[in-house]
Amino acid sequence: SYELTQPPSVSVSPGQTASITCSGDKLGDKYVYWYQQKPGQSPVLVIYEDNKRPSGIPERFSGSNSGNTATLTISGTQAMDEADYYCQAWDSSHVVFGGGTKLTVL
Amino acid sequence: QVQLVQSGAEVKKPGASVKVSCKASGYSFSSYGITWVRQAPGQGLEWMGWISTYKGDTNFAQKLRGRVTMTTDTSTSTAYMELRSLRSDDTAVYYCARGDTPAAGIDYWGQGTLVTVSS
Repeated sequence: SYELTQPPSVSVSPGQTASITCSGDKLGDKYVYWYQQKPGQSPVLVIYEDNKRPSGIPERFSGSNSGNTATLTISGTQAMDEADYYCQAWDSSHVVFGGGTKLTVL
Repeated sequence: QVQLVQSGAEVKKPGASVKVSCKASGYSFSSYGITWVRQAPGQGLEWMGWISTYKGDTNFAQKLRGRVTMTTDTSTSTAYMELRSLRSDDTAVYYCARGDTPAAGIDYWGQGTLVTVSS
């Protein structure tokens, strides 16, 4: 079955750029979606179709996808961005989620 | 505004069934499908499946096939997910969410329903 691999944790200083990767076989051929989840809350879509931002998502969130790796980039990271982030793709009639990455802003 | 409001927490014994409801408002219910996702305590997101609110077509995760049923009632804009033969590892928060197609991203999520399976 298809797998998406994310680093378990990423740390970033406030104001710096955070990059969270998501790896999968030929992932660049698929659309990737990214979700942010804060403790005790439902996930929120922050990037869809590789690099599009839903209405209301700050411009500091951006995405890219090429080859075997998709990347969620948060520019000028703020304390409020501390959360778990999940990537998602579609393969063989199934939705697959990455294992999630805990972003720590310190 | 788009809202998905789920039913309350449930406690079930192993072997029992649970049925979670998800009432949608703020959009045309039949224009979007409903995806179900669960999250075990301290774990990541797990896709359970998707149902077309227009035709009733379904697409389930392989590991749940045979134990899960998804239905919709367009007259009340409500989706339902029933999981049978519950086991302790089914303990999780269950989310309904709006998804245009099974492959598309999920743009709105319900608040989640905690299902605890314990003897």
